[in-house]
Amino acid sequence: GQNIDQPTEMTATEGAIVQINCTYQTSGFNGLFWYQQHAGEAPTFLSYNVLDGLEEKGRFSSFLSRSKGYSYLLLKELQMKDSASYLCAVTDSNYQLIWGAGTKLIIKP
Amino acid sequence: ETGVTQTPRHLVMGMTNKKSLKCEQHLGHNAMYWYKQSAKKPLELMFVYNFKEQTENNSVPSRFSPECPNSSHLFLHLHTLQPEDSALYLCASSPRGEGQETQYFGPGTRLLVL
Repeated sequence: GQNIDQPTEMTATEGAIVQINCTYQTSGFNGLFWYQQHAGEAPTFLSYNVLDGLEEKGRFSSFLSRSKGYSYLLLKELQMKDSASYLCAVTDSNYQLIWGAGTKLIIKP
Repeated sequence: ETGVTQTPRHLVMGMTNKKSLKCEQHLGHNAMYWYKQSAKKPLELMFVYNFKEQTENNSVPSRFSPECPNSSHLFLHLHTLQPEDSALYLCASSPRGEGQETQYFGPGTRLLVL
């Protein structure tokens, strides 16, 4: 079966750095997404990786290793507003989007 | 502001009621989606419409009935629901319905079935 694994919950301190991991086992691969979802709000697009390596976008970076079936989202200089759930999703060989259950990130002062 | 709106935002209904969820997108996209989001579970894709035609139905029970009158509007008609159907129902849209596209989500309807 197809599977996306990410930690259920993480806690970090304001101003620090946190890395949220995502591992996947899918039938083929055509890209990996990270979305952010604040409580009670819509998921919003953060990043898309289709090639190996690191994509940097301001305080957020996303890394992909296709050979390892692994990605991470790196958040730097954490702010209280970064408290949210972070969803990892993979497009498989049939161009179907497979979702992880999300990682709830709690930021403490 | 995502350009995708959903109404109502909250809904409480009994198991014998009939209600409808509405989604509207103002992005000029051709594909629209219904998802179910339950706590600590992955998003479950329910239905996909591309150019008003249903292209995906992921074994959803018949008590959920979608309707897509045009590319901008999507409805989910609900009848004789069960308590386990309580969840957040999210609508999304994308330009062409391709799996590598970014999807744009609405804020969801929080449904409670009593």
